[in-house]
Amino acid sequence: QVQLQESGPGLVKPSETLSLTCTVSGGSISSYYWSWIRQPAGKGLEWIGRIYTSGSTNYNPSLKSRVTMSVDTSKNQFSLKLSSVTAADTAVYYCARASRKYGSGYYFDYWGQGTLVTVSS
Amino acid sequence: EIVLTQSPGTLSLSPGERATLSCRASQSVSSSYLAWYQQKPGQAPRLLIYGASSRATGIPDRFSGSGSGTDFTLTISRLEPEDFAVYYCQQYGSSPSFTFGPGTKVDIK
Repeated sequence: QVQLQESGPGLVKPSETLSLTCTVSGGSISSYYWSWIRQPAGKGLEWIGRIYTSGSTNYNPSLKSRVTMSVDTSKNQFSLKLSSVTAADTAVYYCARASRKYGSGYYFDYWGQGTLVTVSS
Repeated sequence: EIVLTQSPGTLSLSPGERATLSCRASQSVSSSYLAWYQQKPGQAPRLLIYGASSRATGIPDRFSGSGSGTDFTLTISRLEPEDFAVYYCQQYGSSPSFTFGPGTKVDIK
C-alpha cells in the first residue's frame, strides 16, 4: 500500500520561502507524476503543480512564478518550494500521486494526510 | 481555463436517501477526464470515481458517476452514516492542469 507523508515547517514568515517534502513509502516513486495540492481552512482544493520522476514539471499558472518542485528518486521523495509567501498561502498542503488508466485523464489516487502551513510573523 | 461549478452547495438528507450531486463545466470536458472525491473533516480527499463513471478500488457500488460534455453527476444510491462529507469534482485539462469544483457538502437532515 502506497503511503505519502508530508514534512516541513508549520510556520513560515511573510516574504520567505515555504519548503515541504513528501516521502513515498510502500512503492516506488518512479514512473509516476507527483503533485502538491493545497486547501485553505474551510475552502476548496487548489492544484499547485506536478513533477514526473524524470524531473519534468507543470505548474498552476497562478502560482508558477513562485513555485519550484524537485524530485529525489534515491530517497523516494519529492519537494515543493513556494517563494515570497503571504498570509494567503496559509493552508493545508497535501502531496498526492497522479495516476491514470489507459484512455483516462489523470486523477489523484493516493494522498498524504496533509500538513498545515501558517504564514505569520 | 475550464471552471467547474458544483450544485447544490449543501445537500441535507437522511440516511437511506438518495443523493444526486451535480458538476458542471464551463466548456466541454472529455468524460474520461472527470473524477470525484470525498473529503471528511480533518482528512485528505479520497478518490471515488475516475473517468466519470469508473469506481476506484474499494469504493462501494452505492457510489456511481455519470455524465458527458459539460454535465456530470455523482449519485449515492442510499446514504450510509459514513457518507456525510464534502464531495469535489476534478477535471484534468490540457496545458496540462487540474481544476477542482468548489464542493458539495452532504449533511444530515
